[in-house]
Amino acid sequence: GQNIDQPTEMTATEGAIVQINCTYQTSGFNGLFWYQQHAGEAPTFLSYNVLDGLEEKGRFSSFLSRSKGYSYLLLKELQMKDSASYLCAVVDSNYQLIWGAGTKLIIKP
Amino acid sequence: ETGVTQTPRHLVMGMTNKKSLKCEQHLGHNAMYWYKQSAKKPLELMFVYSLEERVENNSVPSRFSPECPNSSHLFLHLHTLQPEDSALYLCASSPVREGHEKLFFGSGTQLSVL
Repeated sequence: GQNIDQPTEMTATEGAIVQINCTYQTSGFNGLFWYQQHAGEAPTFLSYNVLDGLEEKGRFSSFLSRSKGYSYLLLKELQMKDSASYLCAVVDSNYQLIWGAGTKLIIKP
Repeated sequence: ETGVTQTPRHLVMGMTNKKSLKCEQHLGHNAMYWYKQSAKKPLELMFVYSLEERVENNSVPSRFSPECPNSSHLFLHLHTLQPEDSALYLCASSPVREGHEKLFFGSGTQLSVL
């Protein structure tokens, strides 16, 4: 079957750096998304990786290794507003989105 | 603001009630989706509409009935629901129905079935 694994919950300190991992086993691969979802709000797009390597967007970076079935989202200079759930989703060979259960990130002062 | 609006934000209903969830997008997108989000579970795709035609129906019970009268509006009609149907129901849209297109989500309707 198809599977996306990410930690259920993580805690980090304001101003620090945190890495949220996502591993996947899917039938084929056509890209990987990260979305951010604040409690009670809409998930919003953060990044899309289809080639190996690191893509940086301000304080957020996303990394992909297709050979390892692995991605991570790196958040730098953490702010309290970064407290949210982070959803990993993979596009499989049929162009279907396979979702992880999300990682709840708690930022402490 | 994502450009996708869902109403109501919260809904409590009994198992014998009939209610409808509404979604509206002002992005000019051609594809619209209904997802179910339960605590600590992956998003479950329920229905997909492309150019107002239903193109996916993922084994959803018939007590959920979607309707897409035009490319800007999507409804989810609910009747005789069960307590296990309590969840956050998210609507999303994308320019076209392609898996690698990013989705624009609404804030969802938090549904409680008593």
